[in-house]
Amino acid sequence: EAGVVQSPRYKIIEKKQPVAFWCNPISGHNTLYWYRQNLGQGPELLIRYENEEAVDDSQLPKDRFSAERLKGVDSTLKIQPAELGDSAVYLCASSHTYPAREQYFGPGTRLTVT
Amino acid sequence: QKEVEQNSGPLSVPEGAIASLNCTYSDRGSQSFFWYRQYSGKSPELIMSIYSNGDKEDGRFTAQLNKASQYVSLLIRDSQPSDSATYLCAVNTGGTSYGKLTFGQGTILTVHP
Repeated sequence: EAGVVQSPRYKIIEKKQPVAFWCNPISGHNTLYWYRQNLGQGPELLIRYENEEAVDDSQLPKDRFSAERLKGVDSTLKIQPAELGDSAVYLCASSHTYPAREQYFGPGTRLTVT
Repeated sequence: QKEVEQNSGPLSVPEGAIASLNCTYSDRGSQSFFWYRQYSGKSPELIMSIYSNGDKEDGRFTAQLNKASQYVSLLIRDSQPSDSATYLCAVNTGGTSYGKLTFGQGTILTVHP
């Protein structure tokens, strides 16, 4: 079974530039999550999708971050414009909706904003 | 008070010893608990999940849950140098936040030969 796929793996951009991350979840997983992980910290949830619906985006900085999950499969997370403080690893995870919600992570995208 | 707390370590154990990793959580409504292993530069990898009070064993790993004390732990028996990693405790709260994992900051484990 293929795991969660993310691209790109690394991205270096200048501040104020836009950036986008793409995620393809494990086949059959209806729930998709985007997390951000800063160095030395655990991942923090940005947004959770149940199929196409964003059911928890309370931690998403909506002034500059946006996300979409068209057709309930792939998802894209965008930052525009990027700030220095956005440098982090952006992780995508997926799970079944029921019963256990065990989440499996993709390899992540390491973003560096200069 | 942080929602999920772990001792950041580093925890250093000799090869072959038992490594004990601890985690406390603040939300009494929490219903499921997970341990992830994260190697440097890699993403978190799920190694254990536990939902009921007591112990759950999987190979060299044992997860222990005590909901009354709001405490979950991970034991690694016969520790190997390849077990050296950061171990993240994650808690899934119920109610409207069901599905949201809250992570601790992780415990760095070093197993020395």
